[in-house]
Amino acid sequence: SQTIHQWPATLVQPVGSPLSLECTVEGTSNPNLYWYRQAAGRGLQLLFYSVGIGQISSEVPQNLSASRPQDRQFILSSKKLLLSDSGFYLCAWSVGPALNTEAFFGQGTRLTVV
Amino acid sequence: KNQVEQSPQSLIILEGKNCTLQCNYTVSPFSNLRWYKQDTGRGPVSLTIMTFSENTKSNGRYTATLDADTKQSSLHITASQLSDSASYICVVSQGSNDYKLSFGAGTTVTVRA
Repeated sequence: SQTIHQWPATLVQPVGSPLSLECTVEGTSNPNLYWYRQAAGRGLQLLFYSVGIGQISSEVPQNLSASRPQDRQFILSSKKLLLSDSGFYLCAWSVGPALNTEAFFGQGTRLTVV
Repeated sequence: KNQVEQSPQSLIILEGKNCTLQCNYTVSPFSNLRWYKQDTGRGPVSLTIMTFSENTKSNGRYTATLDADTKQSSLHITASQLSDSASYICVVSQGSNDYKLSFGAGTTVTVRA
């Protein structure tokens, strides 16, 4: 069966420090991978998606970047964190596009920038 | 701009009672609509997924309906349990580009004993 791992679950980082969040998927090949950010009381916002190794698309300009060094590994990074980067980050994967494909989410990382 | 609007923003119900959550969307063209359940501090978990040709789909005590003509969906929870307390998110995908999902802000359901 397919599983998705996302870590760490919580993270407190000072302003200006670097960031690296990792997401790995097991049990599937060539998945589409996504990074979302969720603000309190608001819908998930797509940050990055990737349809293959080294292929990254950015949805919104921001202080973050993403990389896909391996087929089932997706990394969210920042060189210098801002206070506004605080939030709940979710990694997801899907196989598609297809009419009835589903997106499966990791457990999320609560990032607090202080 | 493609949008997904959910109502109510939150609701409180007594254990054993039923409730219905609403989702209206303007995403076009439409591919599919999904309902997710998200426990606090956790990732969303899929409940149902419907394409434009499906009107209803059930998953245990959860029943989703879809009216693609009016662009409305509902999620009905029957005989609520304390474990149903969560945020329920409506997600719509656009056309054949499944990479772009439009998320509603969610409805927070609190079930009380």
